[in-house]
Amino acid sequence: EAQVTQNPRYLITVTGKKLTVTCSQNMNHEYMSWYRQDPGLGLRQIYYSMNVEVTDKGDVPEGYKVSRKEKRNFPLILESPSPNQTSLYFCASKASPNTGELFFGEGSRLTVL
Amino acid sequence: AQSVSQHNHHVILSEAASLELGCNYSYGGTVNLFWYVQYPGQHLQLLLKYFSGDPLVKGIKGFEAEFIKSKFSFNLRKPSVQWSDTAEYFCAVRLSGGYQKVTFGTGTKLQVIP
Repeated sequence: EAQVTQNPRYLITVTGKKLTVTCSQNMNHEYMSWYRQDPGLGLRQIYYSMNVEVTDKGDVPEGYKVSRKEKRNFPLILESPSPNQTSLYFCASKASPNTGELFFGEGSRLTVL
Repeated sequence: AQSVSQHNHHVILSEAASLELGCNYSYGGTVNLFWYVQYPGQHLQLLLKYFSGDPLVKGIKGFEAEFIKSKFSFNLRKPSVQWSDTAEYFCAVRLSGGYQKVTFGTGTKLQVIP
């Protein structure tokens, strides 16, 4: 089954404790992206990757890092989480950077105390 | 700056009522347009999309949307809603040609009352 898989789905952590949210897609998509969803703000793009070893900042990259060492994986790293990073995070992928629609993961709800 | 506006933040309808959700964008140029739906506790799923051709687009579950270029709009419609349509709906826009970011609207929460 074609899918985008995120882990963990739910996480409560404390300020400053590094964490990684994994994202994996099995559709051989070139493009992957991370979004955060906050009430009243919709989805905002954090980082995106057009292919392996190619990443770039989205609209709200501060406090986040990403890597794309393999085509299928695109982890989101919070080196020192803060309470303002409490949010619902979605990973998404699409076949090509230049066209097509996004396929979303199930979401990861993160709470930073 | 490019933006996508969804003016209705929360809509409450009775079952069998007709639905129209507004979406306006402020891009110059050729655009690709999308509507995504997020059912409670779930991820976003594509409802329908417009790239070119007939400006009236049919999607899944009886939804349709009309692209009106002169009004920079891509409104979502359904003639008769069901309780199962309760969800949040997001309009999204990207410029066509090369890599272009997808920009999402802030979403409209639809609540359908049985």
